Amino acid sequence: SAVISQKPSRDICQRGTSLTIQCQVDSQVTMMFWYRQQPGQSLTLIATANQGSEATYESGFVIDKFPISRPNLTFSTLTVSNMSPEDSSIYLCSATTGPVGYTFGSGTRLTVV
Amino acid sequence: GENVEQHPSTLSVQEGDSAVIKCTYSDSASNYFPWYKQELGKRPQLIIDIRSNVGEKKDQRIAVTLNKTAKHFSLHITETQPEDSAVYFCAARDMEYGNKLVFGAGTILRVKS
Repeated sequence: SAVISQKPSRDICQRGTSLTIQCQVDSQVTMMFWYRQQPGQSLTLIATANQGSEATYESGFVIDKFPISRPNLTFSTLTVSNMSPEDSSIYLCSATTGPVGYTFGSGTRLTVV
Repeated sequence: GENVEQHPSTLSVQEGDSAVIKCTYSDSASNYFPWYKQELGKRPQLIIDIRSNVGEKKDQRIAVTLNKTAKHFSLHITETQPEDSAVYFCAARDMEYGNKLVFGAGTILRVKS
């Protein structure tokens, strides 16, 4: 399975600012995903990062708030824009070479103050 | 789209006993069902998975069973140990919408020694 390096591991940000989270995979993967995990909760998919095209967002998530890039088959970024305290959460990227073996990055713990 | 329900939400067992966690899914087209273990502050780790052409799969103390007709699958952990204590998530791959994983709500497993 692919090994994913995610950074930053944590950050404390002022409301109204933006944070970009990066995920680097050690091999080419077919699919990459971004999830949000609230404390004590399950994983909620934000979007599927598509290589060379716009990401596919889930209901309740929009591109203006969570712009995503995927310039190649090993790298993706998620930006959390115009942050508010409600955006405090853990953000996780995931990848798979398909069709099985979805792995996760180590997560970014975001606190908005 | 796919919907996954997971039960129980918490499970306490004595060390050495067995633990069973059950999940149901809604989309009969789903064909891949992984289980993840997440320890506090860590990323979800894939512990076992099963594809829809198989009814059961074992890996040492862990097994997963799948009933396609009833659309449910279960995780079985035998001879539980304190280090099995964690949150366990089931998931199903949504074949209709981009091969994303849809997760259950999670089960907190506590193994008492």
